[in-house]
Amino acid sequence: ETGVTQTPRHLVMGMTNKKSLKCEQHLGHNAMYWYKQSAKKPLELMFVYSLEERVENNSVPSRFSPECPNSSHLFLHLHTLQPEDSALYLCASSQTRAGRSGNTIYFGEGSWLTVV
Amino acid sequence: QKEVEQNSGPLSVPEGAIASLNCTYSDRGSQSFFWYRQYSGKSPELIMFIYSNGDKEDGRFTAQLNKASQYVSLLIRDSQPSDSATYLCAVRGGKLIFGQGTELSVKP
Repeated sequence: ETGVTQTPRHLVMGMTNKKSLKCEQHLGHNAMYWYKQSAKKPLELMFVYSLEERVENNSVPSRFSPECPNSSHLFLHLHTLQPEDSALYLCASSQTRAGRSGNTIYFGEGSWLTVV
Repeated sequence: QKEVEQNSGPLSVPEGAIASLNCTYSDRGSQSFFWYRQYSGKSPELIMFIYSNGDKEDGRFTAQLNKASQYVSLLIRDSQPSDSATYLCAVRGGKLIFGQGTELSVKP
């Protein structure tokens, strides 16, 4: 239990569906992240939120839409995805976003997404 | 050149041996270095972080950092089958960049 909770853990969706991934952190952190992990590839940073403000968007297609209503919750809204978007989507949080020594990030258990 | 590079493995060691995992990075301004362990089908979990040159020990794990040579390593002493996992190196300069991970297999 890392203090970062993701739901659902598994999701299968068609290419025309709309679904959302949810993340909640109970650590009092101020920064939250979405990562994508595909087989045999490094973790890819998708979005960063700091104090509920999106501060980073790493060229992610618009079919992925993040939402951060408060510092404890983060959503990833999914719409008209492609089969190649099938992956493990990891939410994470850290105390701050700044590159400070020891500012570690903690991951949730992940949401396995399959697009059919 | 990849920003953070790890040998993907698999690295196979016998139980009780020392496992040595290596990571090189390209950004000389990097300040913090992290090792995560990821079991198959699970999310990464933090093992250690280090930010000063030299060694940092925590139980059976030792992280070694050499900024001049731009590498960081993780040694696991007395390896156990339960250590079998993928080990991710992460390096923070302005951003936190992950390597692709090294798969470790500890054989009984």
